[in-house]
Amino acid sequence: EAQVTQNPRYLITVTGKKLTVTCSQNMNHEYMSWYRQDPGLGLRQIYYSMNVEVTDKGDVPEGYKVSRKEKRNFPLILESPSPNQTSLYFCASSFPGASGGYNEQFFGPGTRLTVL
Amino acid sequence: GQNIDQPTEMTATEGAIVQINCTYQTSGFNGLFWYQQHAGEAPTFLSYNVLDGLEEKGRFSSFLSRSKGYSYLLLKELQMKDSASYLCAYLRDSNYQLIWGAGTKLIIKP
Repeated sequence: EAQVTQNPRYLITVTGKKLTVTCSQNMNHEYMSWYRQDPGLGLRQIYYSMNVEVTDKGDVPEGYKVSRKEKRNFPLILESPSPNQTSLYFCASSFPGASGGYNEQFFGPGTRLTVL
Repeated sequence: GQNIDQPTEMTATEGAIVQINCTYQTSGFNGLFWYQQHAGEAPTFLSYNVLDGLEEKGRFSSFLSRSKGYSYLLLKELQMKDSASYLCAYLRDSNYQLIWGAGTKLIIKP
């Protein structure tokens, strides 16, 4: 089954304790992205990756790191989590469209993170 | 700028028609998306408009006017399962960055 998986689905942690949220897709998509979703603010892009070893900042990258060593995986790293990073996180992937266009994104199930 | 606006909440009746509007202001535009998101779940793709006009897909249609910075999602023959949030997002230039609205929560009443 074609899908994007994220782990863990739920996480409660404390300020300053490093954590990693994994994301994996089995659709051979070049493009992957991380979003956070907060009430009233919609989805905001944290980082994205056009392909292996290519990553770029989105609109809210502060406090986050990513890596793209393999095409299928795009982990999100919080080196020193803080309470303002409490949020619902989504990973997404897609094929880039032809001629600079775009294709639909497929989203993972989400990770609900609480930082105390 | 990268403003995008849509109503916070709408209510409609089962079997009726509802139109959810989305307006945006941007210096770079490369298409507009609509996604559906049920509570506690991931967004799922509904439509993508890059040219002006109406795209129909079953009970759902999406319209785009680039000159007006305006789009709408039209849902016909509403069903209870259509209760969800509807997210519009525009593609900023061609760098694959989507700018998302906050979403419209649609409540369907019997």
